[in-house]
Amino acid sequence: SQQGEEDPQALSIQEGENATMNCSYKTSINNLQWYRQNSGRGLVHLILIRSNEREKHSGRLRVTLDTSKKSSSLLITASRAADTASYFCATFAGFKTIFGAGTRLFVKA
Amino acid sequence: GAVVSQHPSRVICKSGTSVKIECRSLDFQATTMFWYRQFPKQSLMLMATSNEGSKATYEQGVEKDKFLINHASLTLSTLTVTSAHPEDSSFYICSATTRAGGSTDTQYFGPGTRLTVL
Repeated sequence: SQQGEEDPQALSIQEGENATMNCSYKTSINNLQWYRQNSGRGLVHLILIRSNEREKHSGRLRVTLDTSKKSSSLLITASRAADTASYFCATFAGFKTIFGAGTRLFVKA
Repeated sequence: GAVVSQHPSRVICKSGTSVKIECRSLDFQATTMFWYRQFPKQSLMLMATSNEGSKATYEQGVEKDKFLINHASLTLSTLTVTSAHPEDSSFYICSATTRAGGSTDTQYFGPGTRLTVL
């Protein structure tokens, strides 16, 4: 299968709470990226973390990468209703980007 | 920032017809473009990788005779779905990078084309 795995598949939280999504992948990578996709729309690039980095922050986003476990996590702090979307991790290796299965996040106002 | 456009954004066609989708990099030269397909509530599946001036590389299970990809210039790649059938109905997304098949920091994604085959 092309895809890595993400968990949870779906996550429903209250506004203001934190949301954590996990991603596991199968091969060695150059970098890992997280994207957001609103229903029926294109992708929005959120953050890139290189294989030699362990943690990265961008606003309310915090991404970690553990290459020994081939896993990454995305934390969204103080979630807002506008954060409702699908979130995908994507790994770049072998000259192409492969997407994980995605987590559907629903933030209730 | 780098912008990638797709045209059309939405297309409805009859079964058996062919549909062409364009992917353009508007303000940069895209040496490599990727085509993805996304079924409802699923992730993006890579269909093929195309480098300007050469034949596309298709992923396993993707019929190259059905999904024709042309990358004739540094700013344009086209995907033609030949003899489309209802099971080809999907969201098609392209992306572009400026690196020629090498490691890239960011791919720039188009907004997608929704294909509905009746």
